[in-house]
Amino acid sequence: NAGVTQTPKFRVLKTGQSMTLLCAQDMNHEYMYWYRQDPGMGLRLIHYSVGEGTTAKGEVPDGYNVSRLKKQNFLLGLESAAPSQTSVYFCASSYHSGRARAQHFGDGTRLSIL
Amino acid sequence: SQQGEEDPQALSIQEGENATMNCSYKTSINNLQWYRQNSGRGLVHLILIRSNEREKHSGRLRVTLDTSKKSSSLLITASRAADTASYFCATRDSGGYQKVTFGIGTKLQVIP
Repeated sequence: NAGVTQTPKFRVLKTGQSMTLLCAQDMNHEYMYWYRQDPGMGLRLIHYSVGEGTTAKGEVPDGYNVSRLKKQNFLLGLESAAPSQTSVYFCASSYHSGRARAQHFGDGTRLSIL
Repeated sequence: SQQGEEDPQALSIQEGENATMNCSYKTSINNLQWYRQNSGRGLVHLILIRSNEREKHSGRLRVTLDTSKKSSSLLITASRAADTASYFCATRDSGGYQKVTFGIGTKLQVIP
């Protein structure tokens, strides 16, 4: 049981380049989330999805886009990377209600923008 | 601003001692969760306590919730070196948007 898988694990980009971070979950969860984690800032929600084909903005959505074409996948895109987007990105998933709303996290993608 | 704020930000104890971490929050919540993050890994859910509960236990973990003070505490008893990690509280708003907000975390070091 893989849980939540993020690819790639590490990436270095130059300013202005674009890339897509991939997240896949095999738990049939309805909800999926993208966070960024920065020192002293905790986790901040970028975008989230409550189901296939739906996405919504979180706390810090600027500079990012997302898509959820399949229930098990949630993609995070950076169209024109900026040094301020250097961070560790975490994907998470959860069921939609009740106690089972506990989130399951991937191991993160460490992204550096030069 | 952060909904959950953990205190202390860092804690160092000897193996076998108890570790207590606190979390304060600002708004009405539906539930509060605690997560652990080992270095270089993602967060792992530890325990969830609902707003109408005052105390929950899970193994060596004890969580309390005081909604009147908008605070929670996580107690790890008989700590082990493997408990070394960062611990985060996360609150789920009681409003229509069921967002979970994470705090900055407490970094716990358990010295063998």
